[in-house]
Amino acid sequence: RKEVEQDPGPFNVPEGATVAFNCTYSNSASQSFFWYRQDCRKEPKLLMSVYSSGNEDGRFTAQLNRASQYISLLIRDSKLSDSATYLCVVNIPPPDSWGKLQFGAGTQVVVTP
Amino acid sequence: DAGVIQSPRHEVTEMGQEVTLRCKPISGHNSLFWYRQTMMRGLELLIYFNNNVPIDDSGMPEDRFSAKMPNASFSTLKIQPSEPRDSAVYFCASTKSRGRNTEAFFGQGTRLTVV
Repeated sequence: RKEVEQDPGPFNVPEGATVAFNCTYSNSASQSFFWYRQDCRKEPKLLMSVYSSGNEDGRFTAQLNRASQYISLLIRDSKLSDSATYLCVVNIPPPDSWGKLQFGAGTQVVVTP
Repeated sequence: DAGVIQSPRHEVTEMGQEVTLRCKPISGHNSLFWYRQTMMRGLELLIYFNNNVPIDDSGMPEDRFSAKMPNASFSTLKIQPSEPRDSAVYFCASTKSRGRNTEAFFGQGTRLTVV
């Protein structure tokens, strides 16, 4: 079983609509969670961290559910520029606290006019 | 800051040849990661270093792959001998470990093609 799993999509979303997708992780010791965005043929870049209480950054909302071991990302009022692959990232610390960043395979979002 | 710098950006080599990928992390960052990305397998963590010391190399596919970090400003990933199935984009990322929230900054990647 992969440590971090995502629905690969693609999620085809009309412009202006809302889209949401999840990511599950297997290691209950995971401490930090992130969403990264990757555009075609580019490097991944941090979109937002995910906090226990949930957090928003503009049109983006991230949630963490520790009991069920998943995180979610919701995009409101989708823009064409939101088309990208969204990578779920989990920080899995070994006992000495160095962070091992494990990436999911990504969820592709395609926003259409 | 110039960000994470990788070289070369593109590499085409023949099967059996040695390939060396290079990475310069962001100054002051103390963790460095090597990832490989393919369509089939996504982004795979190969190895990561903390304070120049390899912490976890369990993702290195086989003995043909080796990585070094001789100092805080330089790391290499070597494949010897290379095979066509090694074709992928190889990313290097660095972080400034500050407890639990560690944002990773990626280089632009090296696109490797082994023919």
